Amino acid sequence: DVKVTQSSRYLVKRTGEKVFLECVQDMDHENMFWYRQDPGLGLRLIYFSYDVKMKEKGDIPEGYSVSREKKERFSLILESASTNQTSMYLCASSIDRLYGYTFGSGTRLTVV
Amino acid sequence: DQQVKQNSPSLSVQEGRISILNCDYTNSMFDYFLWYKKYPAEGPTFLISISSIKDKNEDGRFTVFLNKSAKHLSLHIVPSQPGDSAVYFCAASTGNQFYFGTGTSLTVIP
Repeated sequence: DVKVTQSSRYLVKRTGEKVFLECVQDMDHENMFWYRQDPGLGLRLIYFSYDVKMKEKGDIPEGYSVSREKKERFSLILESASTNQTSMYLCASSIDRLYGYTFGSGTRLTVV
Repeated sequence: DQQVKQNSPSLSVQEGRISILNCDYTNSMFDYFLWYKKYPAEGPTFLISISSIKDKNEDGRFTVFLNKSAKHLSLHIVPSQPGDSAVYFCAASTGNQFYFGTGTSLTVIP
């Protein structure tokens, strides 16, 4: 089974801190995605990547950046954390849309 | 603008009865649809899919129906079980990116 691992389940950070969320997948998937989930808003796409060193903005990229130096790793960076970035962050990977996405367990980030 | 909508935030159903979860979309170019199930503190897991060339797909207790003219998707769970209590997301795509609905929280009452 494909595994998508997010390094932290829970994080608490202070306003203004730089925050790194790490995601690693173990099945050589080309495509990787970062979403955030908020009540009443569903899953919203922040950034995605179809290849190493490639990145594309999703629907809500403001305040975020990403890094994909290796195929298996896709990092989400909050340049200067703010309280409105308190959310559940979900990483996903896929090889082909016919198989959908495989999601990680999520990181619950609280910015205080 | 939300391209995929789930207008019912929550649904309660008695154990053994049918659960029907609904999803509407606006983009007529969407040609592949999925349903995901999510438990608290876990990532969503894939449940069932349907291509736009079909109008129905079954997998055990789960059936997805697609009405392309109405741009409407539904998930039927029969019979519903307490373990089905979770948040259900529908998703639609035209390429490799999926657009997700806002989710419906299903509670199956024993």
